[in-house]
Amino acid sequence: SQTIHQWPATLVQPVGSPLSLECTVEGTSNPNLYWYRQAAGRGLQLLFYSVGIGQISSEVPQNLSASRPQDRQFILSSKKLLLSDSGFYLCAWSVNWGGEAFFGQGTRLTVV
Amino acid sequence: ELKVEQNPLFLSMQEEKNYTIYCNYSTTSDRLYWYRQDPGKSLESLFVLLSNGAVKQEGRLMASLDTKARLSTLHITAAVHDLSATYFCAVDMRFGAGTRLTVKP
Repeated sequence: SQTIHQWPATLVQPVGSPLSLECTVEGTSNPNLYWYRQAAGRGLQLLFYSVGIGQISSEVPQNLSASRPQDRQFILSSKKLLLSDSGFYLCAWSVNWGGEAFFGQGTRLTVV
Repeated sequence: ELKVEQNPLFLSMQEEKNYTIYCNYSTTSDRLYWYRQDPGKSLESLFVLLSNGAVKQEGRLMASLDTKARLSTLHITAAVHDLSATYFCAVDMRFGAGTRLTVKP
């Protein structure tokens, strides 16, 4: 069966520090991978998606970047965090675009 | 650009009463998903609706899809406390803002 791992679960980082969130999927090959952000009390915003190794699409310009160094690994990064980067970050995968999304447990990031 | 809109955003329900959540989307699509999120948790899918007129039911929740109107509804029958959560609809990996349901005795 397929599983998705996302870590860390919580993170408190100072403004201006770097960020690296990692997500890995097991039990499937060539998944579509996604990073979403959920601000407090808000909906999900699609940040990045990837349909294959090294292929990254950005939905909105921002202080973040994403990489997919391996088929089932998706990384969200920032060189210098802003206060506005605080939120609940969710990694997800699907078999294809528009299909059912399977979510990781999320990372709650607080930038202080 | 695809937009997915839900209303209401907040719904305070009384036990044993019926309610409906609406989800509108702006472009044609062949499927729509409903997800549930418990407080502080991740999302889990509830239903996939694949065609015009599709209806899915599980327990006290029933979802339907009208692709011509680009509208889906999630109907709650006889609300109970364990339905308290945030419900999202999604089309083409874009999510609505979510509807936070609270059931009060």
